[in-house]
Amino acid sequence: DSGVTQTPKHLITATGQRVTLRCSPRSGDLSVYWYQQSLDQGLQFLIQYYNGEERAKGNILERFSAQQFPDLHSELNLSSLELGDSALYFCASSVRGAGTAEAFFGQGTRLTVV
Amino acid sequence: AQSVAQPEDQVNVAEGNPLTVKCTYSVSGNPYLFWYVQYPNRGLQFLLKYITGDNLVKGSYGFEAEFNKSQTSFHLKKPSALVSDSALYFCAARAPSGGYQKVTFGTGTKLQVIP
Repeated sequence: DSGVTQTPKHLITATGQRVTLRCSPRSGDLSVYWYQQSLDQGLQFLIQYYNGEERAKGNILERFSAQQFPDLHSELNLSSLELGDSALYFCASSVRGAGTAEAFFGQGTRLTVV
Repeated sequence: AQSVAQPEDQVNVAEGNPLTVKCTYSVSGNPYLFWYVQYPNRGLQFLLKYITGDNLVKGSYGFEAEFNKSQTSFHLKKPSALVSDSALYFCAARAPSGGYQKVTFGTGTKLQVIP
Protein backbone atom coordinates (compact mmCIF):
# COMPACT_ATOMS: atom_id res chain seq x y z
CA ASP A 1 0.00 0.00 0.00
CA SER A 2 1.53 3.28 -1.17
CA GLY A 3 -0.51 5.45 1.18
CA VAL A 4 -2.07 7.35 -1.71
CA THR A 5 -5.84 6.88 -1.89
CA GLN A 6 -7.91 7.44 -5.00
CA THR A 7 -11.67 7.29 -5.32
CA PRO A 8 -13.63 5.99 -7.04
CA LYS A 9 -11.80 2.96 -8.41
CA HIS A 10 -14.10 2.66 -11.38
CA LEU A 11 -16.33 5.17 -13.11
CA ILE A 12 -18.59 4.68 -16.10
CA THR A 13 -20.23 7.72 -17.59
CA ALA A 14 -21.70 9.00 -20.83
CA THR A 15 -20.17 11.33 -23.36
CA GLY A 16 -20.68 14.98 -22.55
CA GLN A 17 -20.82 14.41 -18.82
CA ARG A 18 -18.58 15.74 -16.07
CA VAL A 19 -16.82 13.69 -13.39
CA THR A 20 -14.61 14.38 -10.41
CA LEU A 21 -11.77 12.13 -9.35
CA ARG A 22 -10.43 12.41 -5.84
CA CYS A 23 -6.96 11.83 -4.43
CA SER A 24 -5.64 11.82 -0.87
CA PRO A 25 -1.84 11.98 -0.80
CA ARG A 26 0.43 10.20 1.62
CA SER A 27 0.58 11.75 5.04
CA GLY A 28 3.08 14.58 4.97
CA ASP A 29 3.33 14.82 1.19
CA LEU A 30 2.74 18.32 -0.11
CA SER A 31 2.98 17.63 -3.83
CA VAL A 32 0.30 15.90 -5.88
CA TYR A 33 0.61 14.85 -9.51
CA TRP A 34 -2.07 13.63 -11.88
CA TYR A 35 -1.35 11.26 -14.75
CA GLN A 36 -3.38 9.69 -17.51
CA GLN A 37 -2.53 6.19 -18.65
CA SER A 38 -3.94 5.00 -21.93
CA LEU A 39 -2.97 2.08 -24.11
CA ASP A 40 -1.83 4.19 -27.03
CA GLN A 41 -0.09 7.03 -25.18
CA GLY A 42 1.39 5.44 -22.10
CA LEU A 43 1.70 7.44 -18.91
CA GLN A 44 1.17 11.14 -19.50
CA PHE A 45 1.71 13.85 -16.89
CA LEU A 46 -1.31 16.13 -16.58
CA ILE A 47 -0.76 18.58 -13.74
CA GLN A 48 0.99 19.11 -10.42
CA TYR A 49 -0.07 20.91 -7.29
CA TYR A 50 2.19 21.81 -4.42
CA ASN A 51 0.75 22.88 -1.07
CA GLY A 52 -2.43 24.15 -2.65
CA GLU A 53 -0.95 25.91 -5.64
CA GLU A 54 -0.60 24.80 -9.22
CA ARG A 55 3.08 24.10 -9.86
CA ALA A 56 3.29 22.59 -13.32
CA LYS A 57 1.11 21.70 -16.27
CA GLY A 58 1.66 18.91 -18.70
CA ASN A 59 -0.55 17.56 -21.44
CA ILE A 60 -3.80 18.56 -19.80
CA LEU A 61 -6.80 19.41 -21.94
CA GLU A 62 -8.72 22.62 -21.36
CA ARG A 63 -11.76 20.49 -20.50
CA PHE A 64 -9.82 19.16 -17.52
CA SER A 65 -9.01 21.04 -14.35
CA ALA A 66 -7.72 20.26 -10.92
CA GLN A 67 -7.31 21.76 -7.51
CA GLN A 68 -5.67 20.98 -4.21
CA PHE A 69 -7.48 21.82 -1.01
CA PRO A 70 -6.14 23.06 2.34
CA ASP A 71 -6.14 19.50 3.70
CA LEU A 72 -3.94 18.63 0.68
CA HIS A 73 -6.36 16.30 -1.00
CA SER A 74 -6.78 16.95 -4.69
CA GLU A 75 -9.55 16.63 -7.22
CA LEU A 76 -9.33 16.25 -10.97
CA ASN A 77 -12.38 17.47 -12.85
CA LEU A 78 -13.06 16.15 -16.32
CA SER A 79 -15.85 17.78 -18.31
CA SER A 80 -17.52 17.42 -21.71
CA LEU A 81 -16.24 13.89 -21.71
CA GLU A 82 -15.38 12.15 -24.96
CA LEU A 83 -14.86 8.49 -25.74
CA GLY A 84 -11.15 9.15 -26.01
CA ASP A 85 -10.99 10.24 -22.40
CA SER A 86 -11.45 6.65 -21.33
CA ALA A 87 -8.28 5.78 -19.46
CA LEU A 88 -6.73 5.03 -16.13
CA TYR A 89 -6.10 8.19 -14.12
CA PHE A 90 -3.42 8.09 -11.48
CA CYS A 91 -2.61 10.40 -8.66
CA ALA A 92 0.86 10.41 -7.15
CA SER A 93 2.37 12.29 -4.27
CA SER A 94 5.80 13.23 -3.03
CA VAL A 95 7.17 15.10 -0.07
CA ARG A 96 8.29 18.08 -2.05
CA GLY A 97 7.96 19.33 -5.59
CA ALA A 98 11.68 19.23 -6.19
CA GLY A 99 14.66 17.28 -4.99
CA THR A 100 15.47 13.63 -5.46
CA ALA A 101 12.36 12.10 -3.97
CA GLU A 102 10.34 9.59 -5.90
CA ALA A 103 6.59 9.82 -6.12
CA PHE A 104 4.17 7.24 -4.80
CA PHE A 105 1.15 6.30 -6.86
CA GLY A 106 -2.40 5.52 -5.98
CA GLN A 107 -4.25 2.57 -7.46
CA GLY A 108 -5.91 4.73 -10.05
CA THR A 109 -9.42 5.48 -11.24
CA ARG A 110 -10.50 3.64 -14.34
CA LEU A 111 -12.76 5.93 -16.33
CA THR A 112 -14.93 4.49 -19.06
CA VAL A 113 -16.84 6.91 -21.25
CA VAL A 114 -19.66 5.31 -23.22
CA ALA B 1 13.72 16.93 -25.11
CA GLN B 2 14.35 14.09 -22.75
CA SER B 3 13.17 10.60 -23.54
CA VAL B 4 13.11 7.09 -22.15
CA ALA B 5 13.13 3.99 -24.31
CA GLN B 6 12.18 0.50 -23.31
CA PRO B 7 13.00 -1.43 -26.45
CA GLU B 8 11.13 -4.61 -25.55
CA ASP B 9 7.36 -4.63 -25.28
CA GLN B 10 7.52 -8.03 -23.61
CA VAL B 11 10.17 -10.16 -21.97
CA ASN B 12 9.62 -13.84 -21.28
CA VAL B 13 11.80 -15.68 -18.81
CA ALA B 14 11.60 -19.04 -17.11
CA GLU B 15 11.11 -19.13 -13.38
CA GLY B 16 14.44 -19.33 -11.59
CA ASN B 17 16.37 -17.78 -14.47
CA PRO B 18 17.92 -14.33 -14.29
CA LEU B 19 15.90 -11.53 -15.84
CA THR B 20 16.81 -8.23 -17.45
CA VAL B 21 14.46 -5.47 -18.50
CA LYS B 22 16.18 -2.88 -20.63
CA CYS B 23 15.98 0.89 -20.45
CA THR B 24 17.89 3.65 -22.18
CA TYR B 25 17.46 7.34 -21.61
CA SER B 26 18.25 10.72 -23.07
CA VAL B 27 18.50 13.40 -20.39
CA SER B 28 20.53 16.58 -20.11
CA GLY B 29 23.18 16.32 -17.45
CA ASN B 30 23.35 13.61 -14.83
CA PRO B 31 20.01 11.81 -14.79
CA TYR B 32 17.75 10.79 -11.97
CA LEU B 33 16.47 7.33 -12.89
CA PHE B 34 13.58 5.27 -11.53
CA TRP B 35 11.98 1.88 -11.96
CA TYR B 36 8.35 1.17 -11.16
CA VAL B 37 6.26 -1.99 -11.38
CA GLN B 38 2.55 -2.13 -12.15
CA TYR B 39 0.49 -5.19 -11.36
CA PRO B 40 -2.89 -5.65 -13.07
CA ASN B 41 -5.46 -3.13 -11.91
CA ARG B 42 -2.98 -1.56 -9.55
CA GLY B 43 -0.99 1.63 -9.42
CA LEU B 44 2.70 1.96 -10.06
CA GLN B 45 4.86 0.74 -7.21
CA PHE B 46 8.29 2.26 -6.71
CA LEU B 47 11.12 -0.27 -7.00
CA LEU B 48 14.35 1.69 -6.95
CA LYS B 49 16.09 4.85 -8.05
CA TYR B 50 19.50 6.08 -9.04
CA ILE B 51 20.51 9.59 -8.07
CA THR B 52 24.27 9.44 -7.66
CA GLY B 53 26.98 7.16 -6.32
CA ASP B 54 27.31 3.42 -6.85
CA ASN B 55 26.23 2.37 -10.32
CA LEU B 56 24.49 -0.73 -8.96
CA VAL B 57 21.32 0.15 -7.14
CA LYS B 58 19.41 -2.35 -5.04
CA GLY B 59 15.68 -2.08 -4.61
CA SER B 60 12.57 -3.87 -3.46
CA TYR B 61 11.69 -7.55 -4.01
CA GLY B 62 15.27 -8.51 -4.91
CA PHE B 63 15.49 -6.22 -7.93
CA GLU B 64 18.55 -4.21 -8.81
CA ALA B 65 19.49 -1.90 -11.62
CA GLU B 66 22.77 -0.94 -13.19
CA PHE B 67 23.46 2.60 -14.29
CA ASN B 68 25.78 2.84 -17.27
CA LYS B 69 26.56 6.41 -18.18
CA SER B 70 28.50 5.67 -21.35
CA GLN B 71 25.64 3.58 -22.72
CA THR B 72 22.95 5.82 -21.21
CA SER B 73 21.27 2.74 -19.85
CA PHE B 74 19.59 1.71 -16.63
CA HIS B 75 18.68 -1.94 -16.98
CA LEU B 76 16.60 -3.68 -14.34
CA LYS B 77 17.82 -7.08 -13.20
CA LYS B 78 17.00 -9.90 -10.87
CA PRO B 79 19.13 -13.01 -10.34
CA SER B 80 16.25 -15.46 -10.10
CA ALA B 81 12.80 -14.69 -11.50
CA LEU B 82 9.59 -15.59 -9.70
CA VAL B 83 6.19 -16.15 -11.28
CA SER B 84 4.92 -13.36 -9.03
CA ASP B 85 7.31 -10.95 -10.78
CA SER B 86 5.06 -11.06 -13.84
CA ALA B 87 3.90 -7.49 -14.29
CA LEU B 88 4.41 -4.31 -16.30
CA TYR B 89 7.66 -2.49 -15.62
CA PHE B 90 8.26 1.19 -16.24
CA CYS B 91 11.55 3.01 -16.42
CA ALA B 92 11.52 6.76 -15.80
CA ALA B 93 14.05 9.55 -15.94
CA ARG B 94 14.49 13.24 -15.38
CA ALA B 95 17.19 15.85 -15.30
CA PRO B 96 18.36 17.09 -11.87
CA SER B 97 16.82 20.53 -12.37
CA GLY B 98 13.14 20.89 -11.65
CA GLY B 99 11.02 18.38 -9.87
CA TYR B 100 9.25 15.10 -10.26
CA GLN B 101 6.77 16.67 -12.69
CA LYS B 102 9.56 16.56 -15.24
CA VAL B 103 9.87 12.79 -15.07
CA THR B 104 9.47 11.05 -18.40
CA PHE B 105 8.20 7.49 -18.36
CA GLY B 106 9.01 4.75 -20.82
CA THR B 107 6.22 2.88 -22.53
CA GLY B 108 6.57 -0.11 -20.26
CA THR B 109 7.79 -3.69 -20.64
CA LYS B 110 5.58 -6.61 -19.83
CA LEU B 111 7.49 -9.28 -17.97
CA GLN B 112 6.13 -12.79 -18.19
CA VAL B 113 7.74 -15.37 -15.92
CA ILE B 114 6.95 -18.86 -17.08
CA PRO B 115 6.60 -21.61 -14.46
